[in-house]
Amino acid sequence: EADIYQTPRYLVIGTGKKITLECSQTMGHDKMYWYQQDPGMELHLIHYSYGVNSTEKGDLSSESTVSRIRTEHFPLTLESARPSHTSQYLCASSDTSGGADTGELFFGEGSRLTVL
Amino acid sequence: AQTVTQSQPEMSVQEAETVTLSCTYDTSENNYYLFWYKQPPSRQMILVIRQEAYKQQNATENRFSVNFQKAAKSFSLKISDSQLGDTAMYFCAFMNPPNFGNEKLTFGTGTRLTIIP
Repeated sequence: EADIYQTPRYLVIGTGKKITLECSQTMGHDKMYWYQQDPGMELHLIHYSYGVNSTEKGDLSSESTVSRIRTEHFPLTLESARPSHTSQYLCASSDTSGGADTGELFFGEGSRLTVL
Repeated sequence: AQTVTQSQPEMSVQEAETVTLSCTYDTSENNYYLFWYKQPPSRQMILVIRQEAYKQQNATENRFSVNFQKAAKSFSLKISDSQLGDTAMYFCAFMNPPNFGNEKLTFGTGTRLTIIP
C-alpha cells in the first residue's frame, strides 16, 4: 500500500460552498499531481507540482487552485463549487530525486465530490 | 501531443483463462515510458507493469506481461491464469522520460475487465 492519503473520501455539498480536498504523502516524494476522473472515464491532469512553492496547471482547465507549502501536502481548493465540479479527484505523487525517476505514480484512494 | 487509445471499453473472461488488453499510442519521440495501471473498484490505482521504449525485451511481472511493438506503437497487456482479484479498470499510460521537461502521464480511456468465477 502506498503512503498517500486523501480526505475526505466522499463529500456532498451545495452549490456555492468552498471546499478543500486534502492530500498528504509520507514518502518524501517531490512531485505531486491532481487528476480528475469522471465515472468509468480516463484521468485528466488538472494540477501538478515539482516541489515546494511550485504549482502548474495541467492539461485540463480547472477552476480549482492548489498550493504546495510543504513537501508532503498538496491541497486542492474550490472557492465556489458548482454541479459541473462533480467528479472524482485523484491525488498522486512520484519520486524523481537522485535520478531515480521510474515514472511510477503512487495514487491516493480518491475524493468523490458531489455538488448539488 | 501524445495520445493513448484503448479500443476495448469492457472485457470479461473466465477465471484461470488468459486475456489480452489492447493499447495503441501516438508519439513522435523515440524514447518514452509506457505503463499499465490497475484501478480496482473503490481502491487505489496501482502500477501493474512498466516498459521503457529503448528496451526491446518485453516487460514481465509474474502473471502480467506486455507485447511492446514500437514500430506499430502498440502496447498490449496479457494477463495469464486470471484471478478474481484481477477484476478492475486497466489504464494504459504514456510518459516522456525524466528531464525531458514534460514528464506527465497521458492516460487512455481504460478497459473494464471482469473475471468471471
